[in-house]
Amino acid sequence: DTGVSQDPRHKITKRGQNVTFRCDPISEHNRLYWYRQTLGQGPEFLTYFQNEAQLEKSRLLSDRFSAERPKGSFSTLEIQRTEQGDSAMYLCASSLRVDTQYFGPGTRLTVL
Amino acid sequence: KQEVTQIPAALSVPEGENLVLNCSFTDSAIYNLQWFRQDPGKGLTSLLLIQSSQREQTSGRLNASLDKSSGRSTLYIAASQPGDSATYLCAVRYNFNKFYFGSGTKLNVKP
Repeated sequence: DTGVSQDPRHKITKRGQNVTFRCDPISEHNRLYWYRQTLGQGPEFLTYFQNEAQLEKSRLLSDRFSAERPKGSFSTLEIQRTEQGDSAMYLCASSLRVDTQYFGPGTRLTVL
Repeated sequence: KQEVTQIPAALSVPEGENLVLNCSFTDSAIYNLQWFRQDPGKGLTSLLLIQSSQREQTSGRLNASLDKSSGRSTLYIAASQPGDSATYLCAVRYNFNKFYFGSGTKLNVKP
């Protein structure tokens, strides 16, 4: 058990709907990362927070994606107007400074 | 563009065999490199972290080496067990903010 939790674990939605995922990092970790993983591939970086500040965003993060980390604690990732290509596992990780990243169990999104 | 490649993509070995998984990266200016294990449908579990100044790290039956100049890392698993069956991913950090992952090696250890 890494201590990073994600909710929900699975989400099935219809194309065009909005979805929101939550990540709760290990409590003392100030860095939080979001990744997307498709079948047979390694995770791809989406965005990174240090405390409450979003310091880096990948070009993969289109305008339909938004992430927040209010008060530097939990984080949310919202996808608006979902598309079938958004179907993937969304992984959250946290770390203390630039140490080891600890991953959550992921949220599997299926867009019908 | 930073790229991370893992070879082989899949590996099947009998129980008890020693094995080596390979990871190569195109840009040698790395900050650190981390090996992960991923079970089907699950998140990633950290195995070993090697800082750029280190040559290797060991944990139990696992040994990871790093050769920055050649852009390579290896994960050595001694006396493999069926419970080692999983996908092994390497991830290279180039700055403070993000990792670049390889596509992984899917390992099957047969009883």
